[in-house]
Amino acid sequence: AQSVTQLGSHVSVSEGALVLLRCNYSSSVPPYLFWYVQYPNQGLQLLLKYTTGATLVKGINGFEAEFKKSETSFHLTKPSAHMSDAAEYFCAVRPGRAGGGNKLTFGTGTQLKVEL
Amino acid sequence: EAQVTQNPRYLITVTGKKLTVTCSQNMNHEYMSWYRQDPGLGLRQIYYSMNVEVTDKGDVPEGYKVSRKEKRNFPLILESPSPNQTSLYFCASSFRGESEAFFGQGTRLTVV
Repeated sequence: AQSVTQLGSHVSVSEGALVLLRCNYSSSVPPYLFWYVQYPNQGLQLLLKYTTGATLVKGINGFEAEFKKSETSFHLTKPSAHMSDAAEYFCAVRPGRAGGGNKLTFGTGTQLKVEL
Repeated sequence: EAQVTQNPRYLITVTGKKLTVTCSQNMNHEYMSWYRQDPGLGLRQIYYSMNVEVTDKGDVPEGYKVSRKEKRNFPLILESPSPNQTSLYFCASSFRGESEAFFGQGTRLTVV
């Protein structure tokens, strides 16, 4: 079984400030972890993913996330927020081992607001 | 261009009138799935398919049907829609393993 918890359904930051969106997961097998972004009236777009190897992964639009196994976390960060970052962000987990299934389980999402 | 295409994008229907939402992908992906998105609940999986003629229930399958007769297509069928199926629906596809899921643009369904 697997699950994802995103702390904070709404996060507000000032333009130029650090963005930190929190994600904790549980998984009975080593996980694959994903962050997706959803802009209004659009589908989900992949920001970044962790599968194996380096635990700090970089994605599009200046975002990055660090896989911390000991904390079961995969928090998303960006050093300096831009107005165009305003969107909803979803963390997701999938079993990372053959035979573990292919199901992608999502968190409930975090709405990011960027203020001038 | 690699993509997942859903139709229609918007649909308003009445209770009990059967409807189908189509989903097609051009990436030769084995794995396809349907999700519904509701405020505060994130995306919940309705049904998924590991390959042609192989489908299984997700977390919220009640009131829905699917079929996978061809690798590229995975339609979602609501035999008798009810107002509690008013939602935003997404189709997604992927390879197995490390590949991420690719999503369609979504279908906003309203059942009155």
